[in-house]
Amino acid sequence: QQQVKQSPQSLIVQKGGISIINCAYENTAFDYFPWYQQFPGKGPALLIAIRPDVSEKKEGRFTISFNKSAKQFSLHIMDSQPGDSATYFCAATLYNNAGNMLTFGGGTRLMVKP
Amino acid sequence: DTGVSQNPRHKITKRGQNVTFRCDPISEHNRLYWYRQTLGQGPEFLTYFQNEAQLEKSRLLSDRFSAERPKGSFSTLEIQRTEQGDSAMYLCASSPRLDEQYFGPGTRLTVT
Repeated sequence: QQQVKQSPQSLIVQKGGISIINCAYENTAFDYFPWYQQFPGKGPALLIAIRPDVSEKKEGRFTISFNKSAKQFSLHIMDSQPGDSATYFCAATLYNNAGNMLTFGGGTRLMVKP
Repeated sequence: DTGVSQNPRHKITKRGQNVTFRCDPISEHNRLYWYRQTLGQGPEFLTYFQNEAQLEKSRLLSDRFSAERPKGSFSTLEIQRTEQGDSAMYLCASSPRLDEQYFGPGTRLTVT
């Protein structure tokens, strides 16, 4: 059972453009939604995260939009740069769960063309 | 470098052999996780330790898999009687609290 669905699987964006990645979750108990960035040969690294009490969170060029009623959230990368080329994973978890185990989406491979 | 380290980085083994991976978390992080990532997929949770206690295990963790974290420091993940389906990247993460998990570079296992 895939509890977090991510789209698109791959994305090509021109330098300076906006990259948009979408995720949908099934478990309404999830209450913490991080995005991870992974470069080849490296482990995932936390990029930005949101709790469901807010609808948007912005950090630099990265913004998460969250729609609780639709059970969807998205990552927007403004002014995309070639250095942003990586695989992006959305994830979800129960923040107050003792373990806080992450359930990941399938990933989006982003390529930013110069 | 004070990040999470994993050894070995790559392991090639023949089907039926046993393998063991090691994870050294960031110092003083009491939470430690193991995930498995297959090619083109997101990581899947395997097991979780708080200090030396193994508190959660995924259904993915068959009885051929065992994990330990003696003394609440480093952790080992052992796979017995490896199968081709075990080929994957095994990721370790540590965390000082509920939110951020810091991932290591992973151990890539290839079972031939």
